[in-house]
Amino acid sequence: GQQLNQSPQSMFIQEGEDVSMNCTSSSIFNTWLWYKQDPGEGPVLLIALYKAGELTSNGRLTAQFGITRKDSFLNISASIPSDVGIYFCAGLLNAGNNRKLIWGLGTSLAVNP
Amino acid sequence: DAGITQSPRHKVTETGTPVTLRCHQTENHRYMYWYRQDPGHGLRLIHYSYGVKDTDKGEVSDGYSVSRSKTEDFLLTLESATSSQTSVYFCATGTGTGEQYFGPGTRLTVT
Repeated sequence: GQQLNQSPQSMFIQEGEDVSMNCTSSSIFNTWLWYKQDPGEGPVLLIALYKAGELTSNGRLTAQFGITRKDSFLNISASIPSDVGIYFCAGLLNAGNNRKLIWGLGTSLAVNP
Repeated sequence: DAGITQSPRHKVTETGTPVTLRCHQTENHRYMYWYRQDPGHGLRLIHYSYGVKDTDKGEVSDGYSVSRSKTEDFLLTLESATSSQTSVYFCATGTGTGEQYFGPGTRLTVT
């Protein structure tokens, strides 16, 4: 199936550092979404982006909808231990009743206190 | 949160037995989804529904069927469970804007 290219696959950082991750695709998307998954739980929506060029923040998290509509970026500033988890990007292709998301494989983040 | 519950949360079953997982939502969302999550594969869509009695296949639908007789409930059935269907299953709901909200997951083990 179709997948987004999400990088990096994993990151190990020191508490207080900033983090950047991104997703790219060969397809154009109308919506980009970023999720976080903690161990043993379902993914939780962090940020939704609806317009090319859009920059949206949620606390220490900032995400951007790439101007080409083929990529998106997520930044986490001043990381803390509770940022640990897997971050997923997802893009929406609209087609009639189809509201299926295309997913990246995730970025696993570890934070050293 | 979208008020999504899944049952059971854990299940161990034997190869060849039928299994039904239930997803229940209280948000009146039109769209509902079933995913499976396996190491190295991320989230893969099994089936989804865009309304009562309206369903369609996802990328890994073989061996699974679904039913949606009312807005709140979306059932996933494994007709004859196989070891390859050992996985964590997530239900999600959505309004159509693209945003999806996930349930807590069901861990299924097929022995």
